[in-house]
Amino acid sequence: GESVGLHLPTLSVQEGDNSIINCAYSNSASDYFIWYKQESGKGPQFIIDIRSNMDKRQGQRVTVLLNKTVKHLSLQIAATQPGDSAVYFCAERYGSSNTGKLIFGQGTTLQVKP
Amino acid sequence: EAGVTQFPSHSVIEKGQTVTLRCDPISGHDNLYWYRRVMGKEIKFLLHFVKESKQDESGMPNNRFLAERTGGTYSTLKVQPAELEDSGVYFCASSKRGRTDTQYFGPGTRLTVL
Repeated sequence: GESVGLHLPTLSVQEGDNSIINCAYSNSASDYFIWYKQESGKGPQFIIDIRSNMDKRQGQRVTVLLNKTVKHLSLQIAATQPGDSAVYFCAERYGSSNTGKLIFGQGTTLQVKP
Repeated sequence: EAGVTQFPSHSVIEKGQTVTLRCDPISGHDNLYWYRRVMGKEIKFLLHFVKESKQDESGMPNNRFLAERTGGTYSTLKVQPAELEDSGVYFCASSKRGRTDTQYFGPGTRLTVL
């Protein structure tokens, strides 16, 4: 399954399939990008991050891809599990800023069907 | 290591009343952030403390909001007087040092203004 941009609020995938959640970021000067996962009743949980001098980074079952040409970020989850059901947020930090302020996208709800 | 904690978890108040939210960052984290998520919208930055100093308060909505971090440990966010549009979930996050460090979020305080 795949979502496009920030405007597809829900993505539904079958357990065991791979998930791809996309995000279009706003500022070409952003130097740092993060994916957070938020489960119901909890705060955002860090998943993976990537700096602007990279185009790919892998974690455990997750991969983040960064395409600076089109200002696009994606999160790939391999072998999606029911525990992956949550809202996923991408966030960026402006490189020209002297603060750690994060700019969040609207979030994509991932629903995993058993 | 204990995570970021927030108190209370829920607060229901009437318009015009005052509410104070508290955040305890991860021990040793100099950077503390406040964010909020209004129903159905993205998570938005409010402000950033470095120790006890306000590094960036560009996201504070208006002068009804007052954040403090006396002694550079825990922080409070006071809303006085509360308005209906202040309802939402208020998140606190902390990072060890510098704007580039990963921000770890607390569970949030759900504020409802009636």
